[in-house]
Amino acid sequence: GAGVSQSPRYKVAKRGQDVALRCDPISGHVSLFWYQQALGQGPEFLTYFQNEAQLDKSGLPSDRFFAERPEGSVSTLKIQRTQQEDSAVYLCASSLLIQPTNEKLFFGSGTQLSVL
Amino acid sequence: GESVGLHLPTLSVQEGDNSIINCAYSNSASDYFIWYKQESGKGPQFIIDIRSNMDKRQGQRVTVLLNKTVKHLSLQIAATQPGDSAVYFCAENSHNYGQNFVFGPGTRLSVLP
Repeated sequence: GAGVSQSPRYKVAKRGQDVALRCDPISGHVSLFWYQQALGQGPEFLTYFQNEAQLDKSGLPSDRFFAERPEGSVSTLKIQRTQQEDSAVYLCASSLLIQPTNEKLFFGSGTQLSVL
Repeated sequence: GESVGLHLPTLSVQEGDNSIINCAYSNSASDYFIWYKQESGKGPQFIIDIRSNMDKRQGQRVTVLLNKTVKHLSLQIAATQPGDSAVYFCAENSHNYGQNFVFGPGTRLSVLP
């Protein structure tokens, strides 16, 4: 597609439920990022992929969070046993080249996760 | 005027006036900066970027100024329009951060008719 696509757009989960969020980056983009954005705040880094390799997962808040990009294109962020504090917008971004190369990121519209 | 809201600083400007949004960044080693615009329910949208070897860069109706001495970045929007109403974020990147971009807290711009 022309841009970064994320699905679902909205997700409501009961506490303790597992969720999976999908990201389709721009075709051919090597770098893929996941960010978490709490209400009224800036995006916070979660993890980074270079093709299929997860090079940095230092931002993942707990071992309940898991991300993968098995074929170097589509990525999935999985959250196990969701908690209320996981409620946020999850943003995916991609860039053409390997980071850091002083190149801008293209963002999707995000998945808004609400944990009840 | 500019005020600190519950979550986000807010800047209110009259339509047609110029807007200046400020950002203080944290890492003196940061060498690349981006301004993003985020409208309600959407992801951040690229506006303009600047590298640390520059102190000014102009785009269409927007100008970014970089002052490395005081670690300050500003975004100027000329002839502000209703469609400019959004939250604006600065983001910094450096090799110290690896691949990560660090975002500022954001400023909400409200354009008054």
